[in-house]
Amino acid sequence: DTGVSQDPRHKITKRGQNVTFRCDPISEHNRLYWYRQTLGQGPEFLTYFQNEAQLEKSRLLSDRFSAERPKGSFSTLEIQRTEQGDSAMYLCASSLGELTNEQFFGPGTRLTVL
Amino acid sequence: AQSVTQLGSHVSVSEGALVLLRCNYSSSVPPYLFWYVQYPNQGLQLLLKYTSAATLVKGINGFEAEFKKSETSFHLTKPSAHMSDAAEYFCAVRDTGRRALTFGSGTRLQVQP
Repeated sequence: DTGVSQDPRHKITKRGQNVTFRCDPISEHNRLYWYRQTLGQGPEFLTYFQNEAQLEKSRLLSDRFSAERPKGSFSTLEIQRTEQGDSAMYLCASSLGELTNEQFFGPGTRLTVL
Repeated sequence: AQSVTQLGSHVSVSEGALVLLRCNYSSSVPPYLFWYVQYPNQGLQLLLKYTSAATLVKGINGFEAEFKKSETSFHLTKPSAHMSDAAEYFCAVRDTGRRALTFGSGTRLQVQP
């Protein structure tokens, strides 16, 4: 399978714990995105990388959230001191650096904070 | 900031009937426009995209969308619904100069036998 992969697919944690999600983009894609999707809503942009550089962050990305893409390949999204409001589907997408910037999405990681 | 409005959070059609899902965007400058489909517990799959090459865009699974600048709309249609079309559909826009997509809140399509 050469699509975007995400791990884990599901994560249940207790409030206050830290969690980390991983995204592996399509291999030749230099751009990587994180989105958050809550129930009944469309995805909301969190952050964007071009290679290893984090070029844009949404106001949704509070201080408890940090994302990295250390070698310009896979990326991790960490949430510290989770809150119940963090419960959502976290989607990763990747794209080539071309005009339309078509983004290919992974299956997502569903986070439940108890 | 760019916004996307999808009229109708739920649409129900009979199998074989026309599907029409509405999307309006707010930008005065034609952006890049996309329709994605999401099946339960899955990520988003691109149906089609508008990139200014043609106002009528054909996508996968028999879907198409027409870009109308005067109406700032990009409605999704399919002549004949199939049971397998039941899913959530999202319209998204990307402004030139930005990389992030802005999504609408989605329309859940039900197809009745």
